[in-house]
Amino acid sequence: DAGVTQSPTHLIKTRGQQVTLRCSPKSGHDTVSWYQQALGQGPQFIFQYYEEEERQRGNFPDRFSGHQFPNYSSELNVNALLLGDSALYLCASSRGMALAGGLREQFFGPGTRLTVL
Amino acid sequence: AQSVTQPDIHITVSEGASLELRCNYSYGATPYLFWYVQSPGQGLQLLLKYFSGDTLVQGIKGFEAEFKRSQSSFNLRKPSVHWSDAAEYFCAVERIKAAGNKLTFGGGTRVLVKP
Repeated sequence: DAGVTQSPTHLIKTRGQQVTLRCSPKSGHDTVSWYQQALGQGPQFIFQYYEEEERQRGNFPDRFSGHQFPNYSSELNVNALLLGDSALYLCASSRGMALAGGLREQFFGPGTRLTVL
Repeated sequence: AQSVTQPDIHITVSEGASLELRCNYSYGATPYLFWYVQSPGQGLQLLLKYFSGDTLVQGIKGFEAEFKRSQSSFNLRKPSVHWSDAAEYFCAVERIKAAGNKLTFGGGTRVLVKP
């Protein structure tokens, strides 16, 4: 059973560019969340997708956008990259937003390391 | 807004010694509580979780955590540390019954294990 997969593993961009990160959830999961982890800090919630809609959003600007596809996979897009966007971007999947918390345990992927020069 | 505090940024422990990592949360009600571990360059792995019931929860890799409502704490412990336990540990909370399951993380505690 494949866990959460993310691509690419590493990415280097320059300021002002745009980037797309991809995530495939664990088998049987339908909810995808994205987190940003800056160096030396804990992950911060960006947003969560369920049934192809953004359901929750953290304190991130509109430059951060996402999408969920019918097969539950997801993309994170960041426009007009800033140096401060350099971070590890983590994708997490879980099963069913309508379920109780105990059944909505999140499983994390290995992350995409984004470096903005 | 809920917040999670991990007071210790770094902890160094000798192999075979006991380990305790502190976590305090600020929230109006008891949230769901989690401990995750992150090895260098890796994603997060769930060690254990607390939702209700027995306040002492057992996890993987020999870890346990105790929920203390009066102290708003959820400290992680291991009786005897192995060199492979060197990693960063994150405490996280999730609001109960909230739509969606957003996790709020602490800043992490980096554990170094001396031979």
